[in-house]
Amino acid sequence: GAVVSQHPSRVICKSGTSVKIECRSLDFQATTMFWYRQFPKKSLMLMATSNEGSKATYEQGVEKDKFLINHASLTLSTLTVTSAHPEDSSFYICSATGQGTLAKNIQYFGAGTRLSVL
Amino acid sequence: AQTVTQSQPEMSVQEAETVTLSCTYDTSESDYYLFWYKQPPSRQMILVIRQEAYKQQNATENRFSVNFQKAAKSFSLKISDSQLGDAAMYFCAYRSPNTGNQFYFGTGTSLTVIP
Repeated sequence: GAVVSQHPSRVICKSGTSVKIECRSLDFQATTMFWYRQFPKKSLMLMATSNEGSKATYEQGVEKDKFLINHASLTLSTLTVTSAHPEDSSFYICSATGQGTLAKNIQYFGAGTRLSVL
Repeated sequence: AQTVTQSQPEMSVQEAETVTLSCTYDTSESDYYLFWYKQPPSRQMILVIRQEAYKQQNATENRFSVNFQKAAKSFSLKISDSQLGDAAMYFCAYRSPNTGNQFYFGTGTSLTVIP
């Protein structure tokens, strides 16, 4: 299957700082990327959907000024948590889908990033 | 929005036995995709199997197979010859062709494999 690389896998930061998480599709062109948040023992909560070259579409209740998403190329999307606070501590997962037989209609996931805000 | 229901929060199975995980969904669409993803303790989401709604034949991937009942809007996953490595959270997901590749996930089933 297709490979999606996400890093860092773990980040610890001080309250008030910003953190950037990268998501890369390694062997396909990701026309659409998704960002999820997952709480312990819970399902994935979609935060936003981003199409290459367009502004991200945020789900209701997700602050777009706090969670900045950039999808500037067909292989890279970034999520920046601005002015992070302890309540932002969570597990963040990206996924990507694309064109062609490899990734069409399927979401391939990164390994996730555990964010801890002190 | 489509809803996906997994009514079994937890399941357990003896090693080498067979277990079936349930999933139902609600939709008015006729063409869509269904998936089962596995999330082991590492938390990496792994695609297990997928089914196109227009296909009547149930998908199979080695020890994993589905029972797709379109009229009943049911999509269960059968794991045969269960192995210790099958222990994980399993998520059922629905993809609509009309909502920009968005997936709708169920709440998950935690599978324990007993040696």
